[in-house]
Order: sequence, then structure tokens, then C-alpha cells
Amino acid sequence: AQRVTQPEKLLSVFKGAPVELKCNYSYSGSPELFWYVQYSRQRLQLLLRHISRESIKGFTADLNKGETSFHLKKPFAQEEDSAMYYCALSGRGSQGNLIFGKGTKLSVKP
Amino acid sequence: DVKVTQSSRYLVKRTGEKVFLECVQDMDHENMFWYRQDPGLGLRLIYFSYDVKMKEKGDIPEGYSVSREKKERFSLILESASTNQTSMYLCASSSGGALADTQYFGPGTRLTVL
Repeated sequence: AQRVTQPEKLLSVFKGAPVELKCNYSYSGSPELFWYVQYSRQRLQLLLRHISRESIKGFTADLNKGETSFHLKKPFAQEEDSAMYYCALSGRGSQGNLIFGKGTKLSVKP
Repeated sequence: DVKVTQSSRYLVKRTGEKVFLECVQDMDHENMFWYRQDPGLGLRLIYFSYDVKMKEKGDIPEGYSVSREKKERFSLILESASTNQTSMYLCASSSGGALADTQYFGPGTRLTVL
């Protein structure tokens, strides 16, 4: 079964500290992985996708097929990073369907 | 910029009422989606559509139906609203082909059923 697991509901860090939001997936094949973000009072939006290998707002994520993980990392958290983060996967032939994790709320304290 | 709009930001209805939630996108996207977003449960797919007049059930279609008469518009219908349908409803769209899984979301409709 296809599944995305985000083990932490809430993650709280201080400004300037490193942050890692965990994401594990279950999929028999080669999925595409994404991170979506929702800032307070804003709409959900794509943060990054693994195939683009971009660094967005200082965030990176590496797909580890051996560990079936796609953790989101940032070396120095900023207060404006406080938001809800969702990991998602898309399987081939899925017609654009995404399977979302339950989300992790990141709180960056001053 | 892709624009996905939803007809209402807040909606209050009574149990048993028929409720229509409208979603419009202006980027000629083939795919459209309806999710509900609940704390601790994340986003759950209700229905999706990959073409006009086409619809597919998602993970939680019970109690809902959809309509896609025009490419830009995707409506979610609650035939007889119940209190357990109180939630935030998100609409999304995406293009076909290689970028089909980059979804663009609307601002959401917070529905309260009394």
C-alpha cells in the first residue's frame, strides 16, 4: 500500500538551530516525492520536489531509497519558516494524484 | 501565476442541507481535486477529475459528489450535510503530463455544519 508517514506532529526549534522534518514512505516502485508548505493564513504551496534537486528558502531534501525516506532539512531555521509542512508522493501513472502525510507543524522560536 | 479560487472562505450550514462548494482555475489545467484538511489527519482526497465530465473517487468519497461540466470549474456537493463534514475543504488543480503532480491550491473553504 502507498503511504506517507510524518512521525512528528509538532517540531519546535530555536532560531538559528538546524531543523529536520522527517518523512518516510511506502511504495513499490520509484515514486516522486514532494514537500508542500502552508504558512499561516496562506494557501498550501509546493516547496520542493526531489527530481529538481533545488534548494528552496534554504531547505533541501534527499531521497533515500534504501531507507525509503525524504527528510526535509535546513541548517539554520528562521522564524518565517514556522508553518505546516506536508510530505507527499506521486506514483507513476497516478494522473497527478498525490498521497499526503499528516503534516508536521514547525514552530521556530526567537 | 496560477489562480485557483473557491467560492466561499467561510460557510455555515445546517444538518441536512445541500451544500455546493465551487472551485475555478484559470490555467486550463486538466486535473482538479477536492481534499478535506483536518488537524492530525492531514489532507484526504475526496474526489478528483482528469477531464471534463470525468470523475474518480478518492479515499473518502462517502457523503460527497462532484460535478465537472466545464474544464475550469469543479464543484463539490454535500447532498445532505452532517456535522462530521465540518472541515476545511481545499481545491487544487494541476496540468497533465510530466508536471501533473505539481498541484496548485485554492485558499480553502471552512465549512461548519450545525
